[in-house]
Parts: sequence; structure tokens; C-alpha cells
Amino acid sequence: QQQVKQSPQSLIVQKGGISIINCAYENTAFDYFPWYQQFPGKGPALLIAIRPDVSEKKEGRFTISFNKSAKQFSLHIMDSQPGDSATYFCAASPDGTYKYIFGTGTRLKVLA
Amino acid sequence: GAVVSQHPSRVICKSGTSVKIECRSLDFQATTMFWYRQFPKQSLMLMATSNEGSKATYEQGVEKDKFLINHASLTLSTLTVTSAHPEDSSFYICSARDGQGSHYEQYFGPGTRLTVT
Repeated sequence: QQQVKQSPQSLIVQKGGISIINCAYENTAFDYFPWYQQFPGKGPALLIAIRPDVSEKKEGRFTISFNKSAKQFSLHIMDSQPGDSATYFCAASPDGTYKYIFGTGTRLKVLA
Repeated sequence: GAVVSQHPSRVICKSGTSVKIECRSLDFQATTMFWYRQFPKQSLMLMATSNEGSKATYEQGVEKDKFLINHASLTLSTLTVTSAHPEDSSFYICSARDGQGSHYEQYFGPGTRLTVT
């Protein structure tokens, strides 16, 4: 199954709070999981990515948690700021293809 | 960091005409480029994958005769929307994979907004 399910569809967080976005997949052949941030009218920008041999990866305020057995991964944005207000997409890449299958997106709004 | 540009950023054309969108990798050689389509408030849908010097591979449901893709060099890919119709209006985004870098990382262009009147 070449789908990546993403939730929630939208999220409102207070400044300084933690934003959590979840993704789930079924295809065990996925072996690369990036997260992208997209502002209106712009192309997506890579935030952070993980391979399935690692359970967690942290870069600055952004952390990916990966649960291989549950086939789920999540993005945590610590100390969320109004500038983080954007749409976030998870993606998964099937082994050997280099293609991305994108999740449906989460619109994050961080209140000042 | 790796930079991908797209030109034009916005284009308006009349129904029945063709439009060409360019995607360039500015500071790396892109062995593979991808073309996506994004409708308002929706996700990115992969249209096709192109490798330099080879024919593009189209995703299921994408008309290859309507969306012509040419990957003529390691830094340039073009998408031509032929005989455009209003339903082709969308945000088109390209991405490129650096053949020398991470095998999986894709760098995205800023997108092209196509409006067909």
C-alpha cells in the first residue's frame, strides 16, 4: 500500500508549546522518511529526515520519533514559535526508487 | 546548500496554448529530477520522474502526451503543458536529487503557479 497517513489535518499551538504531527504507513519497503515545511506559495523545504535503523533524530528544535514495529513516525517541534506557522508534510521513500510519497499535510498555527 | 530554481514563478496562458516550465539545479548535478503538482490546500502529487538523457517515467493517471518532460542536462529539466485547459491550473513544483550527495534527499524548487484562462 503506497500511502502515508498524516494527522492532524490542522493544529493550533501556543507560543512556546510543543507541536506534534503524526504519520503512519503500511509499506515496509519504505526506508527513508523526511519532513518538509511549506509556506504559502513556496516550495517545500527539508526540515529533518530519518532512516528506519534509528528510533529518534534531533536537529535543533525539531525531533523525529520513529517506531518501526508500529510503522509510525512523528515530528515534534519544541518551543514552537509564530514563525513556525506553516504546512508540514511527512513523506516516505520506497527502497531503491528515490520517489517520495507525501502525507496529506498538517497546517500548523502558532499563536503569539 | 543545494539550490533549485524554477522559471517562470507565475504564468497565465489562454486555453489551448502550451506552456514550458524550467527547473534548474544551480550548484549541483541532478541525476534525477521530479515533477509534482499541488492543488490549493492539498498535498504534493508526484507526476513523473526524469533521469538525465532518459525518457521520463510517469505516475499512473498522468498523461505523458499532455505533460512533456525533458531532462536534457544534469542541471536542467523542463515540463511542457501542452494544449492547456483551465483544469490544468495548479502549482507545479520540481525537485532534484544530487547524484553525489545523500541518495534520498530531494531539493525542491520554489514552484510555478500556472493559471489557464
